[in-house]
Amino acid sequence: DQQVKQNSPSLSVQEGRISILNCDYTNSMFDYFLWYKKYPAEGPTFLISISSIKDKNEDGRFTVFLNKSAKHLSLHIVPSQPGDSAVYFCAASSNTGANSKLTFGKGITLSVRP
Amino acid sequence: DAGVTQSPTHLIKTRGQQVTLRCSPKSGHDTVSWYQQALGQEPQFIFQYYEEEERQRGNFPDRFSGHQFPNYSSELNVNALLLGDSALYLCASSPTGSAYGYTFGSGTRLTVV
Repeated sequence: DQQVKQNSPSLSVQEGRISILNCDYTNSMFDYFLWYKKYPAEGPTFLISISSIKDKNEDGRFTVFLNKSAKHLSLHIVPSQPGDSAVYFCAASSNTGANSKLTFGKGITLSVRP
Repeated sequence: DAGVTQSPTHLIKTRGQQVTLRCSPKSGHDTVSWYQQALGQEPQFIFQYYEEEERQRGNFPDRFSGHQFPNYSSELNVNALLLGDSALYLCASSPTGSAYGYTFGSGTRLTVV
């Protein structure tokens, strides 16, 4: 059973516009959420995270919004740049003591057109 | 500051063989986790090591085993390789008990033929 869902496999946006990447989760025990960016043949690179006690976290062009009641989060990239083209993974964790494995969604491929 | 280092970068093995993958964590990190990412899929948690002990394990068979050394480096061993074990194997390190500081290596691409 997929506990973290990224239902859209791909997204294409024009350079300079906003990219909105969505993620849903089913496990109520998740209390920390992360977004990773991944290029082919490389490991995931951490982008931004949010704790369940917040509903928004911003870092430069990247903003993550969390709606706990809907079990939904989204990553906004403004403005989008061609270098943002990559696979974006949403991941979740329940930081139960020392055991804090990450559960990933299937990822979404973002293409930013020049 | 070196990040997470994995070796080898690519590996080809035959069905039934055994393989060992290696990981050196980021400086200051003492917890190492391993993930398997099949082609077109999300990374799946294999297990996590801390203080040289397996602390948590995902849904992987006993053919997958690991080890952590006193210098925090880690090995992933897979016995009796199957074609389905072909994947990118990612090592991630973090400070003790935290998901917040995960740093991933570039992975080892294992191909089983």
